[in-house]
Amino acid sequence: DTAVSQTPKYLVTQMGNDKSIKCEQNLGHDTMYWYKQDSKKFLKIMFSYNNKELIINETVPNRFSPKSPDKAHLNLHINSLELGDSAVYFCASSQVLGGEAFFGQGTRLTVV
Amino acid sequence: SQQGEEDPQALSIQEGENATMNCSYKTSINNLQWYRQNSGRGLVHLILIRSNEREKHSGRLRVTLDTSKKSSSLLITASRAADTASYFCATDDSNYQLIWGAGTKLIIKP
Repeated sequence: DTAVSQTPKYLVTQMGNDKSIKCEQNLGHDTMYWYKQDSKKFLKIMFSYNNKELIINETVPNRFSPKSPDKAHLNLHINSLELGDSAVYFCASSQVLGGEAFFGQGTRLTVV
Repeated sequence: SQQGEEDPQALSIQEGENATMNCSYKTSINNLQWYRQNSGRGLVHLILIRSNEREKHSGRLRVTLDTSKKSSSLLITASRAADTASYFCATDDSNYQLIWGAGTKLIIKP
């Protein structure tokens, strides 16, 4: 079984649309994250969730919102998509904040 | 916020040779981690070294940490084609949030 799975793997959408990326982990971890990796491979933390509570919220546009229905899931909602949102988004989880992280396979988002 | 910086940005070596990558950071840390990312895939954890440790081994991997110089190195011995990937270091800040470098792209030539 895949430890951290995210869907879809590829997402192509038009500017202005609203989209969601789903993430699930079956590791029983207490913390989940969303990262954005740009074209230069630079990773930026977007959100961290610990036991359903948002504990770190980076200065990302409020068009991005994480939603966690339970400890095993952390979905990413993006409203009014812009060209600059095109990137690869990774979900990850860890037992403790800042500990060894397990990553999903990534979602390549392309906004046209 | 602090940011790790890997050096070199790219490294190309022959299979069987050793590969060394370096990481520098700016502020005090609790631990430093190294990850590997194969093309089109997610990151995979390699090693975590704590601030009170100086060296750690895992198979063909050897990581050193010099907190006085705020730097770490990752050595891959007897490289293989499968080691071709990007390698990232990550350090934790005061909130235990991981801050990442831009990575070293390693190419192993057969």
